Amino acid sequence: NAGVTQTPKFQVLKTGQSMTLQCAQDMNHEYMSWYRQDPGMGLRLIHYSVGAGITDQGEVPNGYNVSRSTTEDFPLRLLSAAPSQTSVYFCASSSGAIDTFGSGTRLTVV
Amino acid sequence: RKEVEQDPGPFNVPEGATVAFNCTYSNSASQSFFWYRQDCRKEPKLLMSVYSSGNEDGRFTAQLNRASQYISLLIRDSKLSDSATYLCVVNGAGSNDYKLSFGAGTTVTVRA
Repeated sequence: NAGVTQTPKFQVLKTGQSMTLQCAQDMNHEYMSWYRQDPGMGLRLIHYSVGAGITDQGEVPNGYNVSRSTTEDFPLRLLSAAPSQTSVYFCASSSGAIDTFGSGTRLTVV
Repeated sequence: RKEVEQDPGPFNVPEGATVAFNCTYSNSASQSFFWYRQDCRKEPKLLMSVYSSGNEDGRFTAQLNRASQYISLLIRDSKLSDSATYLCVVNGAGSNDYKLSFGAGTTVTVRA
């Protein structure tokens, strides 16, 4: 049982590049979410989804896009990377209000 | 004002000591409360839920004070392996609201 799988683990982007962070879960959870974690700050919600075909914005959605075509997958797209998006990104899926997190993606934008 | 605020610490304690810390939350309608543990450069993992009546899980005791809107975590007989950052987490006000608000974390270091 893999839980929540995130790829890649590390990524370096140049300003203006785009990329997709992948997230997949095998627990048949309806609720999935993306967070970013920056030093001295709590995890902040970027986007979330309550089921296939349904997504909504969280606290810090600007510069990110998501889609949910299947229950299992919830990719996060950076449209035009900026240095302010340097962060650690966590995908999570939920049963009730308890999140199971992926191992994270460390993204650096130069 | 942040939704969830924690003392960042660090709390530096010897093995066997008791350490306790709180967090405060701003939304009085919040329904569910949790403590997560995060090791360095790892993902957060659920440590325990926090119930209104207070609850224990081994050496860990969590308390909720709704009137003052704070949650506490107490660790007894600290072990080296308890060294981590502890995240206070509060969910939204609605019964179907799975969105979580995270504190920035309290760092605990247990020394030999």
